[in-house]
Amino acid sequence: NAGVTQTPKFRVLKTGQSMTLLCAQDMNHEYMYWYRQDPGMGLRLIHYSVGEGTTAKGEVPDGYNVSRLKKQNFLLGLESAAPSQTSVYFCASSPSGSISYEQYFGPGTRLTVT
Amino acid sequence: AQKITQTQPGMFVQEKEAVTLDCTYDTSDQSYGLFWYKQPSSGEMIFLIYQGSYDEQNATEGRYSLNFQKARKSANLVISASQLGDSAMYFCAMREKEGGSYQLTFGKGTKLSVIP
Repeated sequence: NAGVTQTPKFRVLKTGQSMTLLCAQDMNHEYMYWYRQDPGMGLRLIHYSVGEGTTAKGEVPDGYNVSRLKKQNFLLGLESAAPSQTSVYFCASSPSGSISYEQYFGPGTRLTVT
Repeated sequence: AQKITQTQPGMFVQEKEAVTLDCTYDTSDQSYGLFWYKQPSSGEMIFLIYQGSYDEQNATEGRYSLNFQKARKSANLVISASQLGDSAMYFCAMREKEGGSYQLTFGKGTKLSVIP
């Protein structure tokens, strides 16, 4: 049981390049999330999905797009990377929107934009 | 206003001693959940403990307990008998209903260092 996996683990981009981060979960969870973690800022929600085919904006959505074509996958795209998007990106999932359910996190992707 | 406030950027504790990590929160909802996560230097986020707003008893999980004071809107994490492996970042988070779904908001974290 792999839980939540993220691909790739590390990536270096030049300003203006595009890339897609892949998140996959094998727990049949309905909800999936993308966060970014910057030093001293904690985790901030970028986008989330409450089910296959749905997406919604979080706290810091600008410069990112997402898609949830399959229940188990949640993609995060950067169309034109900027140095301000240098961060560690975490994907998470949870069974549903219940207050009590914890979120299960992937290992993170460290992205550097030069 | 910040929804989750962790006022201690860094804490030190002697091995085998207990330590309390502070967390205050801000919400107008009656139904919410409070979580603590641990992030070691390896980077993964590890769930530690959960407290629901309607839970009358403080949550406990092994050496972790949550000191929940609803009227003061505080949810402090207490780690008993600290171990070297407890050295990590600790994040307090709150889950409440927002925009029709349940979202988790994190504090900025406290870095705990356990001294041998």
